[in-house]
Amino acid sequence: DARVTQTPRHKVTEMGQEVTMRCQPILGHNTVFWYRQTMMQGLELLAYFRNRAPLDDSGMPKDRFSAEMPDATLATLKIQPSEPRDSAVYFCASNPEGPSYEQYFGPGTRLTVT
Amino acid sequence: QKEVEQNSGPLSVPEGAIASLNCTYSDRVSQSFFWYRQYSGKSPELIMSIYSNGDKEDGRFTAQLNKASQYVSLLIRDSQPSDSATYLCAVNSFGNQFYFGTGTSLTVIP
Repeated sequence: DARVTQTPRHKVTEMGQEVTMRCQPILGHNTVFWYRQTMMQGLELLAYFRNRAPLDDSGMPKDRFSAEMPDATLATLKIQPSEPRDSAVYFCASNPEGPSYEQYFGPGTRLTVT
Repeated sequence: QKEVEQNSGPLSVPEGAIASLNCTYSDRVSQSFFWYRQYSGKSPELIMSIYSNGDKEDGRFTAQLNKASQYVSLLIRDSQPSDSATYLCAVNSFGNQFYFGTGTSLTVIP
């Protein structure tokens, strides 16, 4: 049963601390997305990669967020320093090469910054 | 103008009725269209994908696509309380950025 995995599932941290979230896409999927979801903003795209190359990170606050894909099985999203307004659920999703491009989501990381 | 527009609802239907969810999109070159279901506290789950004009049926779900009108809909027949969730419409071109609507909240009343 192939699925996207994310760790940690929950994270509570204090303002100013570094947060790292990890994602393992479905094996064979070549495109990986990071989203953030809040009640107010809905689902926001932060960044995405294809074949490990960053294609678009315009949705990320550049001064504090960074996304990388060190290998095909791992994507990371870092926030440094974290702020209370970063509290949200962060989803990773992946999709295969065409033609279907069906995108599958991980369970999410619920981040609370106090 | 947003890329993908949905009525936020909430939409309430009685059990056994047909629920109709609608979505419009602005990019004419969009080629792939998806419906996701998201239960409270869970991640979006893909339930339907459609790529060509017309209807696509899967069990109680029917997706309808009209590219000329830039319109995609989801019909849920014989609605069940377990269908109560938020439904997200998503649009994509060649696997590039997915555009999601803000979702329609559906409540099925027993």
